Amino acid sequence: KQEVTQIPAALSVPEGENLVLNCSFTDSAIYNLQWFRQDPGKGLTSLLLIQSSQREQTSGRLNASLDKSSGRSTLYIAASQPGDSATYLCAVNGETSGSRLTFGEGTQLTVNP
Amino acid sequence: AAGVIQSPRHLIKEKRETATLKCYPIPRHDTVYWYQQGPGQDPQFLISFYEKMQSDKGSIPDRFSAQQFSDYHSELNMSSLELGDSALYFCASSLGQVLYEQYFGPGTRLTVT
Repeated sequence: KQEVTQIPAALSVPEGENLVLNCSFTDSAIYNLQWFRQDPGKGLTSLLLIQSSQREQTSGRLNASLDKSSGRSTLYIAASQPGDSATYLCAVNGETSGSRLTFGEGTQLTVNP
Repeated sequence: AAGVIQSPRHLIKEKRETATLKCYPIPRHDTVYWYQQGPGQDPQFLISFYEKMQSDKGSIPDRFSAQQFSDYHSELNMSSLELGDSALYFCASSLGQVLYEQYFGPGTRLTVT
């Protein structure tokens, strides 16, 4: 059974800092991995989708990398802003689990002005 | 751009009552997923449909049923509601299965009293 772990569970940084969020998964047989942002009590906003054949994806200040063989992904946020404060979730689409996403428990990010 | 629409956004029911949640996918998306997110938890996959046929089933209670209609909208029917069913219910849609990005709706917050 696929298990997804995110470290750290919470992170507090000053504005302007670059930061890295980590995601690991136990079964490397995946189709792709998605990073999401969730504001308190709100829906999930897809940030980046990275296919298993890709090493990284970039969108604005965000960069996601994937090392499928080691079961790891990182989300890099450059020049963090208070508006980046949210919970960040990674989700894996595994080859043995149909097309369902298996989520990590998230990293709660706070960017202080 | 059009997004996934869910209705209602909030629902309050009493124990043993029935609830129906509706999901309207992004136009041309043929795959719909349902996820349940309990308080302080990560989203858990319930069920999915591809081209109006059930494609995958997760940890969905027998009290719940779902279907996808000819216009691709989907409904999640929940009967004999229990206090533990209180959660945020997300619908997601994608253009095809497996390799495609899942786009999430804003969710329906169900409170069972």
